Amino acid sequence: AQSVTQLGSHVSVSEGALVLLRCNYSSSVPPYLFWYVQYPNQGLQLLLKYTTGATLVKGINGFEAEFKKSETSFHLTKPSAHMSDAAEYFCAVRFTGTASKLTFGTGTRLQVTL
Amino acid sequence: EAGVTQFPSHSVIEKGQTVTLRCDPISGHDNLYWYRRVMGKEIKFLLHFVKESKQDESGMPNNRFLAERTGGTYSTLKVQPAELEDSGVYFCASSPTGGLEQFFGPGTRLTVL
Repeated sequence: AQSVTQLGSHVSVSEGALVLLRCNYSSSVPPYLFWYVQYPNQGLQLLLKYTTGATLVKGINGFEAEFKKSETSFHLTKPSAHMSDAAEYFCAVRFTGTASKLTFGTGTRLQVTL
Repeated sequence: EAGVTQFPSHSVIEKGQTVTLRCDPISGHDNLYWYRRVMGKEIKFLLHFVKESKQDESGMPNNRFLAERTGGTYSTLKVQPAELEDSGVYFCASSPTGGLEQFFGPGTRLTVL
């Protein structure tokens, strides 16, 4: 079955430290890949997406993600965490042949400490 | 431009009652999606409308759930009768024809007691 795995339901980093949130998917065919963020009391906001082309994708708020086909991964990174990055992050995948519905990971809650 | 809106933001009902959730997509977006997140689990797809037609309802859990999109504008999701396991956050999203990004609303938190 096609699935999306986010390793770590909670991640805590210090302000200024590297943020690394992991996402792996199960599919032999490269899908479309997305990262969404949910701030408290708000809806999901798209951070970035990969469709085709360059495998390193830059998004909003200094985030970027790299699509690695051989590892079926799409990890999200940010070089220096800021307090305002505290939120829940969701990896989502649009698998080939599943129309346009998104399959989500379980989410990773990012805590940023002083 | 207004985003996707959902009403109500919270709903608390008792088991066996009926609840109707509403979603207003971004104006002009033909695609409308419903998703649900049960506490601690992943966000799961429920169904997809293209205009007023159901394109994919493979994620609807059972026949207690009824979604409509009359006129191809706003959509409602009715749960009748509600059960305890229906508790969760219901998200609505919309996208234009051919668009890859889905724009999400803030969600409706449903609690069934």
